[in-house]
Amino acid sequence: NAGVTQTPKFQVLKTGQSMTLQCAQDMNHEYMSWYRQDPGMGLRLIHYSVGAGITDQGEVPNGYNVSRSTTEDFPLRLLSAAPSQTSVYFCASSFRDGGLARNIQYFGAGTRLSVL
Amino acid sequence: GQQVMQIPQYQHVQEGEDFTTYCNSSTTLSNIQWYKQRPGGHPVFLIQLVKSGEVKKQKRLTFQFGEAKKNSSLHITATQTTDVGTYFCAGGKSNTGKLIFGQGTTLQVKP
Repeated sequence: NAGVTQTPKFQVLKTGQSMTLQCAQDMNHEYMSWYRQDPGMGLRLIHYSVGAGITDQGEVPNGYNVSRSTTEDFPLRLLSAAPSQTSVYFCASSFRDGGLARNIQYFGAGTRLSVL
Repeated sequence: GQQVMQIPQYQHVQEGEDFTTYCNSSTTLSNIQWYKQRPGGHPVFLIQLVKSGEVKKQKRLTFQFGEAKKNSSLHITATQTTDVGTYFCAGGKSNTGKLIFGQGTTLQVKP
């Protein structure tokens, strides 16, 4: 199993450009999340999904869109990139154990994004 | 909204010294998790605590969950250079699949 795969690993954008960060998992996990990591801020939740067709906002959703058409894929779209979106982005998946969400996050390797 | 605060932000220790990081939530948690991120890497799950007052050990690491399920700590005994990295706590609520992470504590160990 590859686990959680994120592409690209690095990206440089100009202000106003759009792009999609890809995330795929092969563990058949129901839950998937996107986080951004900035110095001193920890990991902040952008969007998450509890299953195909269901998404919800996290702490910092503005400027990002997501969709979940399959269990495996959870792409993150930047509509019009801004310098404030320079960050490291992590995708994670987690599983449900019986009736409870165990919430244990399996992270991808991350995408390092710079917006100039 | 729910907040999880973690202190200290940075800690420098001499190899062999002990290290502790603390985590406090503004609300009661259903569970708390700890992750370690090596420099340049991604967070990796260490452990989950779900019971009030729970204590778990992994070799030199001791994890505690407070009686009120609003705070937690990670203690490392006799640090080694392999312990270098950032340690995050994360608080969860049942059935949401959603976690709120603390800001992390970055540990440096001088050999």
